[in-house]
This record gives sequence, C-alpha cells and structure tokens, in this order.
Amino acid sequence: EAQVTQNPRYLITVTGKKLTVTCSQNMNHEYMSWYRQDPGLGLRQIYYSMNVEVTDKGDVPEGYKVSRKEKRNFPLILESPSPNQTSLYFCASSSVGGSVGELFFGEGSRLTVL
Amino acid sequence: TQLLEQSPQFLSIQEGENLTVYCNSSSVFSSLQWYRQEPGEGPVLLVTVVTGGEVKKLKRLTFQFGDARKDSSLHITAAQPGDTGLYLCAGGETSYDKVIFGPGTSLSVIP
Repeated sequence: EAQVTQNPRYLITVTGKKLTVTCSQNMNHEYMSWYRQDPGLGLRQIYYSMNVEVTDKGDVPEGYKVSRKEKRNFPLILESPSPNQTSLYFCASSSVGGSVGELFFGEGSRLTVL
Repeated sequence: TQLLEQSPQFLSIQEGENLTVYCNSSSVFSSLQWYRQEPGEGPVLLVTVVTGGEVKKLKRLTFQFGDARKDSSLHITAAQPGDTGLYLCAGGETSYDKVIFGPGTSLSVIP
C-alpha cells in the first residue's frame, strides 16, 4: 500500500530536549516536504526537498532542521524545542515538486512542548 | 506575497442541504487544488483545476476555477455526514512554485 509514515504520532516533551520526527514514503517520490498546521493558519511549509541531498527552507524554517540522505526518508529535527513549536506536523511527498503535483500526506504527528 | 483566503471558516448544515465554499486570492494562480482532511488524518487531494473557467465534478462535488484564475469554489449537493471535514484549497502562481494552502473551511454535516 502506497503510504507516508510518520512517527511518533503523539509526543509530549519539554523545552530544550532534542527530538526527531521520522517520515518515510514507499512511492519512490523525489519531492518531500514538512508542514505544520495551526488553527486558523492552515498548512505552512517548514522545509522541503526536491531530491536526495537537496533541501530548502519553506515559510517557517526557524527552529527546525531536516536531512535527506535517502530518497524514502525525510526526518524533521527540533534541536531545542520551544512551546511555540507545539503544533500538528505533517510530512508529505509527491512525484513532482511545484504546485500541480498531488501531495500524499502522512497521518500527522501532534507535538506538545511544555 | 501569495495568499489564499477561504470562506466561510466554519459551516454546520443538516444532511441533505447544499453548500458552497470559496477560495479567493489577489494573485493569479496557475492551478488550484482542493484537499479534504478528516479528523486525525492528513489531507487527501480531491481535484486539481488548471484552466480559467474550468468546472470539474466528483460525484456530488462540483469544483470551479474562476475565469481570471484568482478564485475557486466547491459546491456540495445533498451533503452527507461523510462529507464532514476540513476543506483546504491550495495553489501556486506558476507550476514550478511551491504550493501554498488556505486556512480551510471546517464543514460539519449533521445527520
């Protein structure tokens, strides 16, 4: 089954404790992206990757890091989480970048930073 | 700066009613997409419209792209509880631009 898998689905952590949210896709997609979803703000792009070893900032990259060492994996790293990073995070992949490709989303990771 | 606005923000209707939700921008978009997000899940693509004036139908859902490619609408006929969810529009000014999302319309269909 074609899917994007994120882990963990739920996480409560404390300020400053480094964490990683993993994302894996099995569709051989070149494009992957991370979004955060906050009430009234919709989905905002954090980072994206057009291919292996190619990453770029989205609209809200501050406080986040990513890496793309393998085509299927695109982890999101919070080096020193802060309460304003409490949010619902989605990983997505697509066969093409840009605005016409279909984005396939994971089920989301709800992060709470105390 | 590209910006997509959606209205209404919230909509609660009875089963069987018709409804229309809107997506507007001051910018011209090369294409617009509509996604539906059910509680606890990620968004799922419903449709992509690329030509000004284009109308696409998906069962009881009708999508229209404005002639000037600055707006889009989603009309649902005879809404059912299974239509409940968050409807997001998304698009880019060119096909190479990253997609941006509107804030969404949260629809609740009451049995």
